[in-house]
Amino acid sequence: DADVTQTPRNRITKTGKRIMLECSQTKGHDRMYWYRQDPGLGLRLIYYSFDVKDINKGEISDGYSVSRQAQAKFSLSLESAIPNQTALYFCATSPQGNYGYTFGSGTRLTVV
Amino acid sequence: AQSVTQPDIHITVSEGASLELRCNYSYGATPYLFWYVQSPGQGLQLLLKYFSGDTLVQGIKGFEAEFKRSQSSFNLRKPSVHWSDAAEYFCAVGAYNAGNMLTFGGGTRLMVKP
Repeated sequence: DADVTQTPRNRITKTGKRIMLECSQTKGHDRMYWYRQDPGLGLRLIYYSFDVKDINKGEISDGYSVSRQAQAKFSLSLESAIPNQTALYFCATSPQGNYGYTFGSGTRLTVV
Repeated sequence: AQSVTQPDIHITVSEGASLELRCNYSYGATPYLFWYVQSPGQGLQLLLKYFSGDTLVQGIKGFEAEFKRSQSSFNLRKPSVHWSDAAEYFCAVGAYNAGNMLTFGGGTRLMVKP
């Protein structure tokens, strides 16, 4: 099994729908991140969590929310999806005080 | 705040040719620098990193990168490219005072001609 698992791998949804992307990890890392990738823009940070009780906004958090259900689980929600949220979404983890990021394989989301 | 620029969006090289991917960063102090590779349908894999010390850093898959403070650059190189190196490459910078946070460049897509 992968160290960082994202579900679903692909999703097509309609404008206005609520959707949740899930991430689980077996690395035992405290820190978890959600990034979105757009062509030419690289990866941009949406939200991050340093532990279960610590949630922080990243540079592009508008339109998104997150939940850290446990050390190993970090979910990203789009409350009302819009087409410009079509992107590739990555979850990542890292241990405290270390830049050893581990990335999931990504979720490709299309909003129509 | 830190930032990263990868000036080349696409690069095409012939198999066996040398490769250099450019990365320029902006940060007020000594940065932590990284190169990641993303193969199609995969997450990002760390190629190499620079924290301090020797400015020429060796990584996996035969890649190396050189930190040049005077040019604010951290270019990735490989002497002889293989077809399997075709992928997207991301440079990233981490800041000492930003709690493990990475800022990524826009990426360079590498295509390899037979």
